[in-house]
Amino acid sequence: AQRVTQPEKLLSVFKGAPVELKCNYSYSGSPELFWYVQYSRQRLQLLLRHISRESIKGFTADLNKGETSFHLKKPFAQEEDSAMYYCALRGYNQGGKLIFGQGTELSVKP
Amino acid sequence: DVKVTQSSRYLVKRTGEKVFLECVQDMDHENMFWYRQDPGLGLRLIYFSYDVKMKEKGDIPEGYSVSREKKERFSLILESASTNQTSMYLCASSWYTGTSGGENEQFFGPGTRLTVL
Repeated sequence: AQRVTQPEKLLSVFKGAPVELKCNYSYSGSPELFWYVQYSRQRLQLLLRHISRESIKGFTADLNKGETSFHLKKPFAQEEDSAMYYCALRGYNQGGKLIFGQGTELSVKP
Repeated sequence: DVKVTQSSRYLVKRTGEKVFLECVQDMDHENMFWYRQDPGLGLRLIYFSYDVKMKEKGDIPEGYSVSREKKERFSLILESASTNQTSMYLCASSWYTGTSGGENEQFFGPGTRLTVL
């Protein structure tokens, strides 16, 4: 079965510290992975996708097929990074349908 | 800018009432989705639609139905609301790029927080 697991409900770090939000997936083929973010009082929006191999707002994520992971990383957290982060998976032949993880709340303290 | 709007930000209904949640997008997207968002459970797909008058069940369709009479509008219907349907409901839309999905991003509405008493 397709599944996305984010093991941490809450991650709290201090400003300037490195941050890693974990995402593990279960899928038998080659999935497409995404990170979505929801800032306070804002709508959910795409942060980045693995296929683009891009860095957005200092965040990067590498798809590790061996470990079936897609962890989100940033070397120096900022207070404005505080938000809810969701990892999502789209399988082959799934059209636009996404499977989301449980979400991780990131809190960056001053 | 893609705009996805939802008819209400907050809604309070009584058990047994019929509830309509409306979603409209202005980017001519083929795909539209309804999710519910609950703490600790993330987003769970209720129903989705690839085209007008077309619908497919998601992961938790029980107690819900949908309607898509026009391309830009996707309605979620709670036939008889129950307290366990108290939740945040999110609508989303995206381009259709074939069964592979392509890189199509989902654009979300602001959400409707529904409370069933």
